[in-house]
Amino acid sequence: NAGVMQNPRHLVRRRGQEARLRCSPMKGHSHVYWYRQLPEEGLKFMVYLQKENIIDESGMPKERFSAEFPKEGPSILRIQQVVRGDSAAYFCASSPPLAGAYNEQFFGPGTRLTVL
Amino acid sequence: KQEVTQIPAALSVPEGENLVLNCSFTDSAIYNLQWFRQDPGKGLTSLLLIQSSQREQTSGRLNASLDKSSGRSTLYIAASQPGDSATYLCAVGGTSYGKLTFGQGTILTVHP
Repeated sequence: NAGVMQNPRHLVRRRGQEARLRCSPMKGHSHVYWYRQLPEEGLKFMVYLQKENIIDESGMPKERFSAEFPKEGPSILRIQQVVRGDSAAYFCASSPPLAGAYNEQFFGPGTRLTVL
Repeated sequence: KQEVTQIPAALSVPEGENLVLNCSFTDSAIYNLQWFRQDPGKGLTSLLLIQSSQREQTSGRLNASLDKSSGRSTLYIAASQPGDSATYLCAVGGTSYGKLTFGQGTILTVHP
């Protein structure tokens, strides 16, 4: 059973470009979480999704950031018009569909975004 | 708002020592607590998950305890090895769907 997969592992963008980060959860998992780790800071929750639904996006900046988890395919975290402050490691985690609060979250290797 | 604090921020020990990492949280209304390990430039590896109704969990040389009422958890590592060198993160699950709040981590160095 493959773990959580994220791609790309490293992404370089110039200011003003768009960044698309992909996350494929573990097989059988239907809950996806995105976290961001800024340099010298801890991991912070951004958004929680189930298939075709955003459940909690309270940690996501109101502008330029969006997330989706379509019925088919990976979850996508999209950052429009990137700025240098978006440079960070973005981690995706997944958990099984039952009793979400009690389930262990499994993390992907992360995407390291660098904005020039 | 939940806040998670880890002490110490960094720890350097000789190989073979037993050690304790501390985690405290401000809101005791939690669902679970998870300990992770993060190697430089890598993702997070889950070490132990303790449900709110449990007092401790063990896996190999690792033992994690949870005292929900006092808002504390400890991770005990027995007979430390250089391969244990990493950043250890404590994360608290405080919602019905598992959203995690992380501490800043303890950077552990075990030298031969």
